[in-house]
Amino acid sequence: DTGVSQDPRHKITKRGQNVTFRCDPISEHNRLYWYRQTLGQGPEFLTYFQNEAQLEKSRLLSDRFSAERPKGSFSTLEIQRTEQGDSAMYLCASTPSAAQPQHFGDGTRLSIL
Amino acid sequence: DQQVKQNSPSLSVQEGRISILNCDYTNSMFDYFLWYKKYPAEGPTFLISISSIKDKNEDGRFTVFLNKSAKHLSLHIVPSQPGDSAVYFCAARSSGGSNYKLTFGKGTLLTVNP
Repeated sequence: DTGVSQDPRHKITKRGQNVTFRCDPISEHNRLYWYRQTLGQGPEFLTYFQNEAQLEKSRLLSDRFSAERPKGSFSTLEIQRTEQGDSAMYLCASTPSAAQPQHFGDGTRLSIL
Repeated sequence: DQQVKQNSPSLSVQEGRISILNCDYTNSMFDYFLWYKKYPAEGPTFLISISSIKDKNEDGRFTVFLNKSAKHLSLHIVPSQPGDSAVYFCAARSSGGSNYKLTFGKGTLLTVNP
C-alpha cells in the first residue's frame, strides 16, 4: 500500500525565488489537504481539494500561494516571491471520504535563506 | 485563538507505566477527534479517533477518553514502550460544512525511558 508521497523532501531557496511542491495522494483518495507546520506548532490548514475542485482556502494562503490539482490526481503548491516567514514544513494529506482519517505524507521542508 | 490546546509540551514516563496525554478544545462544533503520532523527519501518523457520540474508544494499548461537558480528551497508552517516544498531536474537526479540515494542538513530546 503506497502512502502519500511528497516531493521534494527538502527545498532550500533564496528569498524572492519561486518554489513548487508536489503531492501524490493515496490512490483513489478524492480528498486532498495541504497544511503548514512551523516550529513548535501543530499543522495548520491551508487548502482543500475534492477531486480537482479547490473548495476552501485558509486566510493563511496569501495571494503569493497557489495550489492546483489537475484531473483530481496529484497536487502542486506554488509559492511565489518567497519570504523568510514562508520557512516551514508543508504537509499534504489525503482521505477517501469524510468518515476516514486523513493520512499524511512526510512533508516538504522549505528553508528560505 | 487556539481552539485545540495541549498544555503539556512534554511528558516523561518509565517503560511499562501508563502515559496520559491531555487535550482541551474550545469549539463546541467539533464532533470528531483524532490523535496523531509524529517521529522526527516524518509526517504525522494516525493513531486513534473518537466520535462525539462516544466517551471511550480503545485500540490495543491505546485508549482515548472524551468528556464533552468539559471539552476535554485524553490519550492513555498502557503499557508504555520506548518506541512510543514521539510527538503526539491532538486534532479535531467539525462535520459542519464539507471540508472536514483538521485543527491541531501544538503537540506533546512523549519520552518513554527504558
